[in-house]
Amino acid sequence: EAGVTQSPTHLIKTRGQQATLRCSPISGHTSVYWYQQALGLGLQFLLWYDEGEERNRGNFPPRFSGRQFPNYSSELNVNALELEDSALYLCASSLGGQGGEKLFFGSGTQLSVL
Amino acid sequence: AQSVTQLDSQVPVFEEAPVELRCNYSSSVSVYLFWYVQYPNQGLQLLLKYLSGSTLVKGINGFEAEFNKSQTSFHLRKPSVHISDTAEYFCAVTRSGGYQKVTFGTGTKLQVIP
Repeated sequence: EAGVTQSPTHLIKTRGQQATLRCSPISGHTSVYWYQQALGLGLQFLLWYDEGEERNRGNFPPRFSGRQFPNYSSELNVNALELEDSALYLCASSLGGQGGEKLFFGSGTQLSVL
Repeated sequence: AQSVTQLDSQVPVFEEAPVELRCNYSSSVSVYLFWYVQYPNQGLQLLLKYLSGSTLVKGINGFEAEFNKSQTSFHLRKPSVHISDTAEYFCAVTRSGGYQKVTFGTGTKLQVIP
């Protein structure tokens, strides 16, 4: 069974550009989570989608947005890129969002903003 | 809002020695607690979780953790570590109930010395 897949593996952008990151959850999982892992800061919660709806959002500016498609895959969009957006972006999936579910993580997209 | 603190950013330990990785959380309501491990160049995977019931939780690879409500702690332990345990360990907390985000700590790098 395929795990959580993320694309691209690496992404290089310049300041002010837009970045689009993609995530495919494990088959049967309806919840998709996005986290930012910056050096020394651990994982910072970005967004949570379940059944196509945004269920929770972290303390990030509105230029971080996303969506979930009918097949439960998801994309994260980052507009007006800033240097401090450089980080590893992790996607995770789970069976629903009723609490206590195990999160299954992808290997991440390394975003570098120059 | 809940938060989690991992005071030790790095823990060196000799092979076959015991180890304890500390985690303290803050929340005014009931919580679920987790430990995830990130091996080099891999995604995060769940080691163990506490939802309710017995305060001593056993996980994969010989790890265990004890939930202590009075001290708001969830420390991770292993009686004898192996070289293969070298990784970064993340403690995480979420409030019980639906659609509560999972908040991660900043991580502890365990370096097992041969």
